[in-house]
Amino acid sequence: AQSVSQHNHHVILSEAASLELGCNYSYGGTVNLFWYVQYPGQHLQLLLKYFSGDPLVKGIKGFEAEFIKSKFSFNLRKPSVQWSDTAEYFCAVNVRDNTDKLIFGTGTRLQVFP
Amino acid sequence: EADIYQTPRYLVIGTGKKITLECSQTMGHDKMYWYQQDPGMELHLIHYSYGVNSTEKGDLSSESTVSRIRTEHFPLTLESARPSHTSQYLCASHAGTSGIRADTQYFGPGTRLTVL
Repeated sequence: AQSVSQHNHHVILSEAASLELGCNYSYGGTVNLFWYVQYPGQHLQLLLKYFSGDPLVKGIKGFEAEFIKSKFSFNLRKPSVQWSDTAEYFCAVNVRDNTDKLIFGTGTRLQVFP
Repeated sequence: EADIYQTPRYLVIGTGKKITLECSQTMGHDKMYWYQQDPGMELHLIHYSYGVNSTEKGDLSSESTVSRIRTEHFPLTLESARPSHTSQYLCASHAGTSGIRADTQYFGPGTRLTVL
């Protein structure tokens, strides 16, 4: 069965620190990849997505992610975090079947301190 | 952002009660989904729909049922709530295969259910 692993469950950073959140998936076929963010008290929002083409994708709020096919990875990065980035981050995979369902990782809780 | 609405946002209810969680979207999306999320855990798909009169079970077994009589409405029902149903329930819809939002799911705010 397909699965998504997020290795960092809880990350604590100071403002201006760099961020990298790991995401690996297990599926041998073609996938669409997503990062969603959930700010405190808000609903899940799309941060960025990768379908094809340039493996380095840029999303909102200065986030980017790199798809490395050989490693089945889609790590999220931001060079300098802000306090407002405090949120829960979810990596998700769509295996491009007819259902278009998403398979999620367990999420990473990011806390940024001023 | 996409317009998906869920009501209620919070529900505390006693064991044995019948409940319906509402989900509606105004974008005309055909595919809709219900996910269940326990604290600190991943979201698990419990139901989905390809369109009107279509409902399918998801990856996680659930005692809930769903219906899809109208495109915009995808309610979830628990006939007899139990404490094991305590969780957060998220509704989503899929933006189809064309346009800037293509092949992307958009989520509602969720319903946090507590069964006493």
